[in-house]
Amino acid sequence: GAGVSQSPSNKVTEKGKDVELRCDPISGHTALYWYRQRLGQGLEFLIYFQGNSAPDKSGLPSDRFSAERTGESVSTLTIQRTQQEDSAVYLCASSHYGTGWYGYTFGSGTRLTVV
Amino acid sequence: AQKVTQAQTEISVVEKEDVTLDCVYETRDTTYYLFWYKQPPSGELVFLIRRNSFDEQNEISGRYSWNFQKSTSSFNFTITASQVVDSAVYFCALSEVTAGNKLTFGGGTRVLVKP
Repeated sequence: GAGVSQSPSNKVTEKGKDVELRCDPISGHTALYWYRQRLGQGLEFLIYFQGNSAPDKSGLPSDRFSAERTGESVSTLTIQRTQQEDSAVYLCASSHYGTGWYGYTFGSGTRLTVV
Repeated sequence: AQKVTQAQTEISVVEKEDVTLDCVYETRDTTYYLFWYKQPPSGELVFLIRRNSFDEQNEISGRYSWNFQKSTSSFNFTITASQVVDSAVYFCALSEVTAGNKLTFGGGTRVLVKP
């Protein structure tokens, strides 16, 4: 597609349930990033994938959070045993490294509400 | 570690006034990129500008201008003759090549332009 696609756009879940968020990057983009934005706050880095290298998980807030990416395609962010503080917008971005670096394209995000 | 500080949390101006948003960053890298993004009430992130650490030339794009000063580690953003449509949250961000180009965002500055 032309842009980064995220699904679902909105998700309401009960506390304690697991959720999966999906990100479809721009075709050919080797790098993929996940960010979290709590209400009224800035974006927090969660995890970064670059090609076949080991992901940079340094931003994951707890072991309830995990993410996978198959090759240079779709990524899923999984939150287990959701808590109310997990309520936020989860944004995905992809990026291309070629003869230079061309910046990021962000998706529209998934708004997660834990009730 | 990289860090971005936007000291102004909210700025309120009357239409046609100029507004300057401050951004101060910290990095140990010599090669890095600085960004400004706009986040209107609809929530999407709109890319405004990217500047690399070797290019200190100031830039003007329409009513927007940016002042990059490495000596003070600042990358300030000015909106000239503000309009109601400029009302949004503006984020400054930094990426370091050695950190996989993951973005570190400032906390954002909310700009409210009143008619």
